[in-house]
Amino acid sequence: DGGITQSPKYLFRKEGQNVTLSCEQNLNHDAMYWYRQDPGQGLRLIYYSQIVNDFQKGDIAEGYSVSREKKESFPLTVTSAQKNPTAFYLCASSWTNTDTQYFGPGTRLTVL
Amino acid sequence: AQTVTQSQPEMSVQEAETVTLSCTYDTSESDYYLFWYKQPPSRQMILVIRQEAYKQQNATENRFSVNFQKAAKSFSLKISDSQLGDAAMYFCAYRMGGATNKLIFGTGTLLAVQP
Repeated sequence: DGGITQSPKYLFRKEGQNVTLSCEQNLNHDAMYWYRQDPGQGLRLIYYSQIVNDFQKGDIAEGYSVSREKKESFPLTVTSAQKNPTAFYLCASSWTNTDTQYFGPGTRLTVL
Repeated sequence: AQTVTQSQPEMSVQEAETVTLSCTYDTSESDYYLFWYKQPPSRQMILVIRQEAYKQQNATENRFSVNFQKAAKSFSLKISDSQLGDAAMYFCAYRMGGATNKLIFGTGTLLAVQP
């Protein structure tokens, strides 16, 4: 089956710890994105990548880092510098950087 | 800066009836794209419909259609013959044309479908 997978579905982290969220796609899409969703708000863009080994900051990149070593993978690291990391994180991908974005099932991160 | 506004936090519709969800946006661009995404309780975002601003014809996808009023900067979603599975949060999103693919989302409308 083609699609976008995110793991884990639920993630718990202690304050001060870094944690990495996985996003994989087998759609052969060039572009990938990370969004954050908070209650009562729409999605906000954290980082995006148009091609392998290249990525750009979105609107709320502070406290996050990404890598794009492979076309199919775009992991997101939430660092201890992120002041309020508890949120729902969604990964998306598209054929090009101008095409419709398709989303994965998301990861719920809770900081204890 | 572009903004997207969904003024209806919650809506309710009877099964088999029709409901319209509102969305307005603010932009000075002439080339852009508009989307409606559905987020059911599973929380996965699902594309419902897409509209290119240069197209005058309103987009339709089965029971879903839009009323795109470019001059008024309005992009409403009409759901016909509502079904229980349509119950979800609906987000309107804007994307500027050109090389960027940044989506700007509204705050969403929670749709309840009553049997």
